[in-house]
Amino acid sequence: AQTVTQSQPEMSVQEAETVTLSCTYDTSESDYYLFWYKQPPSRQMILVIRQEAYKQQNATENRFSVNFQKAAKSFSLKISDSQLGDAAMYFCAYRSTGNQFYFGTGTSLTVIP
Amino acid sequence: NAGVMQNPRHLVRRRGQEARLRCSPMKGHSHVYWYRQLPEEGLKFMVYLQKENIIDESGMPKERFSAEFPKEGPSILRIQQVVRGDSAAYFCASSPPSYPPGRKEAFFGQGTRLTVV
Repeated sequence: AQTVTQSQPEMSVQEAETVTLSCTYDTSESDYYLFWYKQPPSRQMILVIRQEAYKQQNATENRFSVNFQKAAKSFSLKISDSQLGDAAMYFCAYRSTGNQFYFGTGTSLTVIP
Repeated sequence: NAGVMQNPRHLVRRRGQEARLRCSPMKGHSHVYWYRQLPEEGLKFMVYLQKENIIDESGMPKERFSAEFPKEGPSILRIQQVVRGDSAAYFCASSPPSYPPGRKEAFFGQGTRLTVV
């Protein structure tokens, strides 16, 4: 079975600075999808960014970008110009060819004013 | 296109009662997933269903828990004879089929917070 590992239970960043959240995964598949979700205190799960494994170009969404290293099975999230509203739990997720989703254990991000 | 709808948002049950949690997936989505989340913890996979079929229930306790996704109507997660340890937030997610190509993320409902007293 696929596994998703987030090795940073907690991270903090100064407002306006940049932070990188790490995620690694284990798979034998070649075609899959990767995602980062954000869960603020409201507990609503919000999609931040998605990456198709067949695409070499790293996905970007405004201040959010990923560093996708397929050979290393690494999928880190970079948040630039951090804002107070970015404070949340962030989950890395993997969708397999069998349509199953695997989530990491999450990284709690604190933004310091 | 309405999002994933879960109801109720909050549910209080006494020990020994039954809890029924409902989830209506997004239109056109054929895959439904249920997750449990304890406070300050991550999402724990419970079950993955397609219409009228349970695809993977490896995360669901063998006793007292069951799930269905009938041909018509919402997906139901049922917990019989609830105990205090069942208190948690239960999230439902849906996703589109593998084909045709397009967005493949899971869309989440707002969750049902179950409290067992």
